[in-house]
Amino acid sequence: QVQLQESGPGLVKPSETLSLTCTVSGFSITSTSYWGWVRQPPGKGLEWIASIHHSGNTHYNPSLKSRVTILVDSSKNDFSLRLTSVTAADTAVYYCTRQQASLETLASWGRGTQVTVSS
Amino acid sequence: SYELTQQPSLSVSPGQTASITCSGARLGDKFISWYQQKPGQSPIMVIYQDNKRPSGIPERFSASNSGNTATLTISGTQPLDEADYYCQTWDTNTVVFGGGTKLTVL
Repeated sequence: QVQLQESGPGLVKPSETLSLTCTVSGFSITSTSYWGWVRQPPGKGLEWIASIHHSGNTHYNPSLKSRVTILVDSSKNDFSLRLTSVTAADTAVYYCTRQQASLETLASWGRGTQVTVSS
Repeated sequence: SYELTQQPSLSVSPGQTASITCSGARLGDKFISWYQQKPGQSPIMVIYQDNKRPSGIPERFSASNSGNTATLTISGTQPLDEADYYCQTWDTNTVVFGGGTKLTVL
């Protein structure tokens, strides 16, 4: 049974870089799956950020692409998210996900981590 | 960019059937997934590939997708089904979510 656990700072200052890591257990990150990030601002809906395959193939939300980097570390069985130049609008719960190889479905979700952007 | 539209809210009485819709251009040509999210919890997949239920999801959850509309149906709705429901598809190399439907069971 795959388990996903997000980790990273809960508070980031405006204009700085948000960095999160998702540790995968019970499943190899070098499988056919894609691995990604979804966020949810307070009281709002879900917003997809990006997805990556262990081969390095990536897909990004066009509205965030200029500020986002997603990376995978097969040796640690984890993947990470970097979001630059954050503002209060980036305050959200950030979830890491496992996407099926066909990319159609987000089959597994982490428990989420709250990130607040504030000085 | 592709858009999915859901009704913001739906109220049903226990035991009734809840039908949550998701609309988008030629949606029936794509696969749709549905997620349930209860307050303070992460979303869980309840339907994938239009109408398939993952193991552990009750049979009262069913779905269809045709034309421009996908529908999640909850038969015999129970109070524990009260949650936000999101539809999702994959289009032009992006994950697209609907805005979500808040299902109230009262």
